[in-house]
Amino acid sequence: AQTVTQSQPEMSVQEAETVTLSCTYDTSESDYYLFWYKQPPSRQMILVIRQEAYKQQNATENRFSVNFQKAAKSFSLKISDSQLGDAAMYFCAYRGGAQKLVFGQGTRLTINP
Amino acid sequence: DTAVSQTPKYLVTQMGNDKSIKCEQNLGHDTMYWYKQDSKKFLKIMFSYNNKELIINETVPNRFSPKSPDKAHLNLHINSLELGDSAVYFCASSQNRGAADTQYFGPGTRLTVL
Repeated sequence: AQTVTQSQPEMSVQEAETVTLSCTYDTSESDYYLFWYKQPPSRQMILVIRQEAYKQQNATENRFSVNFQKAAKSFSLKISDSQLGDAAMYFCAYRGGAQKLVFGQGTRLTINP
Repeated sequence: DTAVSQTPKYLVTQMGNDKSIKCEQNLGHDTMYWYKQDSKKFLKIMFSYNNKELIINETVPNRFSPKSPDKAHLNLHINSLELGDSAVYFCASSQNRGAADTQYFGPGTRLTVL
């Protein structure tokens, strides 16, 4: 069974700085997708970014980018120019042949003004 | 327009009661899901339906029964509620059941069992 591990329960960063959230996963599949979701205090789960495993190029969405290392099974999220609105729980998730999303434990990100 | 909606947003009830949570999506998606987020924020899949057909049924007590009257709706009925059922329940949908299909989540229903 696939597992997703986020080793940082909490992270904090100064506003306008850059922060990287870590995620590792375990799978024997070669074709899969990885996601980062954001959950602000409103509780809504919001998709931040996704990465196809067969693509070597790292996905980017404005201030959000990933560092996908397939051999190392690592999928970190970099947030540049952090803003107060980025404060949230961030979840890394995996989806492969079993079709269900497997989530990590989450990282709570605090932005210090 | 809300893409994935859930009712109610909050549900407080006594142990032993039966309750339902409703989910509707207006995205035209074929696949819908129920996830449970526990008190430690851990999210886990419970069920998935594709075109009204059950395709994922994780290890969930029989007290939980999903029902999909049509592909735009997936309801969750819970019998004989227990304290441990207290959690946030999220509905989600995706275009299809493939790994490539992004899942879009509803706002969640916070269930509190007293």
